[in-house]
Amino acid sequence: GIQVEQSPPDLILQEGANSTLRCNFSDSVNNLQWFHQNPWGQLINLFYIPSGTKQNGRLSATTVATERYSLLYISSSQTTDSGVYFCARGSSASKIIFGSGTRLSIRP
Amino acid sequence: NAGVMQNPRHLVRRRGQEARLRCSPMKGHSHVYWYRQLPEEGLKFMVYLQKENIIDESGMPKERFSAEFPKEGPSILRIQQVVRGDSAAYFCASSTAGRSGDEQFFGPGTRLTVL
Repeated sequence: GIQVEQSPPDLILQEGANSTLRCNFSDSVNNLQWFHQNPWGQLINLFYIPSGTKQNGRLSATTVATERYSLLYISSSQTTDSGVYFCARGSSASKIIFGSGTRLSIRP
Repeated sequence: NAGVMQNPRHLVRRRGQEARLRCSPMKGHSHVYWYRQLPEEGLKFMVYLQKENIIDESGMPKERFSAEFPKEGPSILRIQQVVRGDSAAYFCASSTAGRSGDEQFFGPGTRLTVL
């Protein structure tokens, strides 16, 4: 079946540090999304990025579809960046398949 | 333009009761998806619906769970005779079309607790 693997599973950083989260997928994609689930459980759309690079403030993402991976970059981390980051890719059946997430903790 | 709306945000039920979760998609979206997140896990697909049609229910448990998206009104995820293992966060998403490459937008979720 389709696999979506995220690394690292956990990441603890000091405020101000930069981080890179990785998402590997087992098949070609036509939909790749990054989400942030905050400590209150809300799921926030970060990027819709089947290919290429996008930036939004301190966050940016790059998907290299031919090599089957996507990266999420967070620069100058803030405590409000804490939470779980999920990547998810589309399948041929319209549903999206989530990775198991990277739990990010930013210490003040 | 309001986002995906779900209610209630929190729902507490005793074992054996019924749970009804509601989802109103974003304006202009006619495709709805339900996902379940068990504690400390990622989201898992349950069902995909268009108005009055279930398109893909491959992720739905075979018993006690049902979903509908009527012509008028929100989509409903119904869980009959709830058990403690049903405790989870249930998320609804919507998209403009049902193509596999379409971006899905998520609601805030309903957190179901079964006592």
